[in-house]
Amino acid sequence: GAGVSQSPSNKVTEKGKDVELRCDPISGHTALYWYRQRLGQGLEFLIYFQGNSAPDKSGLPSDRFSAERTGESVSTLTIQRTQQEDSAVYLCASSFGTGGGYTFGSGTRLTVV
Amino acid sequence: GEDVEQSLFLSVREGDSSVINCTYTDSSSTYLYWYKQEPGAGLQLLTYIFSNMDMKQDQRLTVLLNKKDKHLSLRIADTQTGDSAIYFCAESRNQGGKLIFGQGTELSVKP
Repeated sequence: GAGVSQSPSNKVTEKGKDVELRCDPISGHTALYWYRQRLGQGLEFLIYFQGNSAPDKSGLPSDRFSAERTGESVSTLTIQRTQQEDSAVYLCASSFGTGGGYTFGSGTRLTVV
Repeated sequence: GEDVEQSLFLSVREGDSSVINCTYTDSSSTYLYWYKQEPGAGLQLLTYIFSNMDMKQDQRLTVLLNKKDKHLSLRIADTQTGDSAIYFCAESRNQGGKLIFGQGTELSVKP
């Protein structure tokens, strides 16, 4: 597509439920990134996929968080047993290679009640 | 984000120049970026500079890089009310493609 597409744009879930967030990167972009932005905060790196290499998961805050990407296509970020502190905007970005700037999606606003 | 630091707020008058500053800690950073985030929107790449440059100009935007002091700045000339947003600086490190972001500087432009 023309840009990075994320869905849903908003998600309200009950504490303890699992959620899946989806990111559709720009076609041909080999790298895909997930970031979290809490209210009034900067961006916190979560995970990074580059082609078929093993993902860099160093930013995942706990084992409740996981992400998958098949090839160079769609990625899903899964949060299990959601907690209130998981409430944030989850941003996905993609890039062609690793040197240029990213293109960000509009994010998924997750609210855990 | 604690490795990249920015002041949190900046307020200017319309027509003035704005200078947003950023310091980073990793001398091996290859690229440094400025992103703009308007309310309720995603991040928009404004400009970036390669680490072997010390200045880059793009229309109203001027980026200055001082590698010795690990200091990056973004100057916006003739600031307009539409420039009101949060500005993030970010660095890219050699060992991976991930960007490390600062906390963001909220720019407020008063008419």
